[in-house]
Amino acid sequence: DQQVKQNSPSLSVQEGRISILNCDYTNSMFDYFLWYKKYPAEGPTFLISISSIKDKNEDGRFTVFLNKSAKHLSLHIVPSQPGDSAVYFCAASASTSGTYKYIFGTGTRLKVLA
Amino acid sequence: DAGVTQSPTHLIKTRGQQVTLRCSPKSGHDTVSWYQQALGQGPQFIFQYYEEEERQRGNFPDRFSGHQFPNYSSELNVNALLLGDSALYLCASSPKGSLSYNEQFFGPGTRLTVL
Repeated sequence: DQQVKQNSPSLSVQEGRISILNCDYTNSMFDYFLWYKKYPAEGPTFLISISSIKDKNEDGRFTVFLNKSAKHLSLHIVPSQPGDSAVYFCAASASTSGTYKYIFGTGTRLKVLA
Repeated sequence: DAGVTQSPTHLIKTRGQQVTLRCSPKSGHDTVSWYQQALGQGPQFIFQYYEEEERQRGNFPDRFSGHQFPNYSSELNVNALLLGDSALYLCASSPKGSLSYNEQFFGPGTRLTVL
């Protein structure tokens, strides 16, 4: 039962263009969402997050959009840079008894072409 | 300020053996979570430790156990290793607090290979 889905295993974008990574979830109890970036041989690095009370959060070149009715979120990277090439994971969390476990998607490998 | 550290970086074991992985959280963090990341998959939550107790557990068998020490560091133990336990094991730390919707900081992981 995959509660968080990233249906695109890979994405290639030209440098300077917009990268859009998508994520769908099924559990309506999720109330916090995050994006992580992972380079080979490193642990995931936090990128940006959004609470379910918002529908948009922006941090520099990165913007996350949340559509609760569609149970869908997306990460926009503008402009894309070669250093953005990595695997991107979407994660979701539901507050339960004060603990916050993350449910991760399977990841999307982004390749930004110079 | 050291981030999350894990040891060892790589480990090779044979089926049936037992393994212990170690994690030191980021300074100021007292909550530690463990994840298993199989090849081509996203990290899967194993369990979380806070105040030296297991607070939440994912869908993993009892062969997976853990411990948290008073200095907040943590161990993950896996008994009776199976080939399917081969994966990258990630430790993540976070600060406590009722509004702990904070990002978890991940270590580089321990790559476990079971032969």
